[in-house]
Amino acid sequence: EIVLTQSPATLSLSPGERATLSCRASQSLSIYLAWYQQRPGQAPRLLIYDASNRATGIPARFSGSGSGTDFTLTISSLEPEDFAVYYCQQRSNWPPTFGQGTRLEIK
Amino acid sequence: EVQLLESGGGLVQPGVSLRLSCAASGFTFSTYAMGWVRQAPGKGLEWVSAISGSGGSTYYADSVKGRFTISRDNSKNTVYLQMNSLRAEDTAVYYCAKTRGSSSSWFVEYWGQGTLVTVSS
Repeated sequence: EIVLTQSPATLSLSPGERATLSCRASQSLSIYLAWYQQRPGQAPRLLIYDASNRATGIPARFSGSGSGTDFTLTISSLEPEDFAVYYCQQRSNWPPTFGQGTRLEIK
Repeated sequence: EVQLLESGGGLVQPGVSLRLSCAASGFTFSTYAMGWVRQAPGKGLEWVSAISGSGGSTYYADSVKGRFTISRDNSKNTVYLQMNSLRAEDTAVYYCAKTRGSSSSWFVEYWGQGTLVTVSS
């Protein structure tokens, strides 16, 4: 089973700042990594798939990069609604696994 | 508009069975693999099971293999999760998941609202 390690566990920033979230895999994923956002009390929402492709309706301030074992989600300028928990997930093989999450909180 | 409506959750005792259903609409159901992802209270996400668009291939997490069975009825646009021999550690919100492809594309493009399963005596 592929293990995904997200860092940092918690990120404290202010609206308007740039956020950089990391996800490291225990083995190469090629580009088969996604990012999700989960707000309190809601289902997750797909943001990025195949490392760098924005899902339908996702604002351009969200971008993904990386390949192999190291991936990054960047939010260029934080909006109030962006403060949430973010998960990465791999689909390189079954079972698909998620990282433990990064909580993005308002500073 | 894609909609996924789960039903069947509830409070049950350890050892009993429960069947979850997910009624889908807004897309060509048989074209997409579907699955179930769960989230224990205050915890992260875990893929539980998945099924290909045709229903010919099924996949299970080790934690549920032999106890849970996934199936689908493409004539009813519905996917099911039969859960037997439930344990306390199965307590979670179960999300119905529509993936991005017909098979092996295990990114969740759309999520249901979730149904809570609580296993407790």
